[in-house]
Amino acid sequence: GENVEQHPSTLSVQEGDSAVIKCTYSDSASNYFPWYKQELGKGPQLIIDIRSNVGEKKDQRIAVTLNKTAKHFSLHITETQPEDSAVYFCAGGGAGSYQLTFGKGTKLSVIP
Amino acid sequence: KAGVTQTPRYLIKTRGQQVTLSCSPISGHRSVSWYQQTPGQGLQFLFEYFSETQRNKGNFPGRFSGRQFSNSRSEMNVSTLELGDSALYLCASSRGTDTGELFFGEGSRLTVL
Repeated sequence: GENVEQHPSTLSVQEGDSAVIKCTYSDSASNYFPWYKQELGKGPQLIIDIRSNVGEKKDQRIAVTLNKTAKHFSLHITETQPEDSAVYFCAGGGAGSYQLTFGKGTKLSVIP
Repeated sequence: KAGVTQTPRYLIKTRGQQVTLSCSPISGHRSVSWYQQTPGQGLQFLFEYFSETQRNKGNFPGRFSGRQFSNSRSEMNVSTLELGDSALYLCASSRGTDTGELFFGEGSRLTVL
């Protein structure tokens, strides 16, 4: 089955700086890669996703890049704000099933 | 549009008991997935139901089971609870017609004593 690895597990940045979180996946048949943000006491919420026919996608301060050859994808958050502090999860899916395999998460702390 | 609703939000059980968790998906969504979230293992897929049929199942023992009703509401059951079953159980709904966005509820936090 699919295996998704995520790094780093914790990340601290100064407000206004950029944050980058990286994930690798193992199943070359996976074609859907979402990123979720989970705040304390809440369920994960989708912030951006990318499919394997696209190399990059951007939504305001958030962007995701995908390298199918290397089987890795990354989340980029620019101009970080304190409200960006949360746990971020990457996931892979679509390899013939409807389930997602999640990375272990990155706890992002934005220091004012 | 109402989100995914999970009940109960918190519950405490003792070893050997069984528990049933409920999930009401977003209106119009026909797929319901269940995930277990723990600090050590992260988010792990339990099973997914679509139109009352289990479509996928994760690598969990048979003590974990689920079902989906004709109105798309879903329940999951854990029998003979073990201490290691303490976790946040998350339900997610989606249209289910392709691999796409999962909408998560806030979860049911189970503590097994």
